[in-house]
Amino acid sequence: NAGVTQTPKFQVLKTGQSMTLQCAQDMNHEYMSWYRQDPGMGLRLIHYSVGAGITDQGEVPNGYNVSRSTTEDFPLRLLSAAPSQTSVYFCASSPTGSNQPQHFGDGTRLSIL
Amino acid sequence: SQKIEQNSEALNIQEGKTATLTCNYTNYSPAYLQWYRQDPGRGPVFLLLIRENEKEKRKERLKVTFDTTLKQSLFHITASQPADSATYLCASLGNTDKLIFGTGTRLQVFP
Repeated sequence: NAGVTQTPKFQVLKTGQSMTLQCAQDMNHEYMSWYRQDPGMGLRLIHYSVGAGITDQGEVPNGYNVSRSTTEDFPLRLLSAAPSQTSVYFCASSPTGSNQPQHFGDGTRLSIL
Repeated sequence: SQKIEQNSEALNIQEGKTATLTCNYTNYSPAYLQWYRQDPGRGPVFLLLIRENEKEKRKERLKVTFDTTLKQSLFHITASQPADSATYLCASLGNTDKLIFGTGTRLQVFP
């Protein structure tokens, strides 16, 4: 089992560009989520999904889109990158929900110039 | 608003001693707390979960307590080793059923 795999590991974008951060898990988990981690702040929830075809907003959803067409994949899209979106992004999964231990990927480090 | 607070200052201790990290929560009553370890450049890794009706939980050298009166959880590492050096995060479900994380406390164990 690879667990939760995130790609790319590093990315530099220019303001206004769009991109997709990939997240895949091979544990057949229903629940998947995206967090961003900034210095001095805890992990903040961006979007989450309780199963294929179902997504919902977290604490800081503005500027991000998600979709969940399969159980395995949960991509995060930045529509028009802004410097405030410079952060480390983590994808996580768990069998059925947020009340269970989360399995995290190793993150994507994103810089917006 | 619901908050989880951890000491942002790094904790430096000598190898062999017990490290104690604190997690305080305000404006809600979580049914449980989770603890994670995060190494530089890596994602958090789950360590322990303690429920509100459990006073204490142990796993090898790790011990977690949950005091609903003080609104606090303590995380202990006994016989600490340099390999225990990392950032430790606590988390719990808020009233909106979303996981809330603290900012983490960095532990440095020196020989």
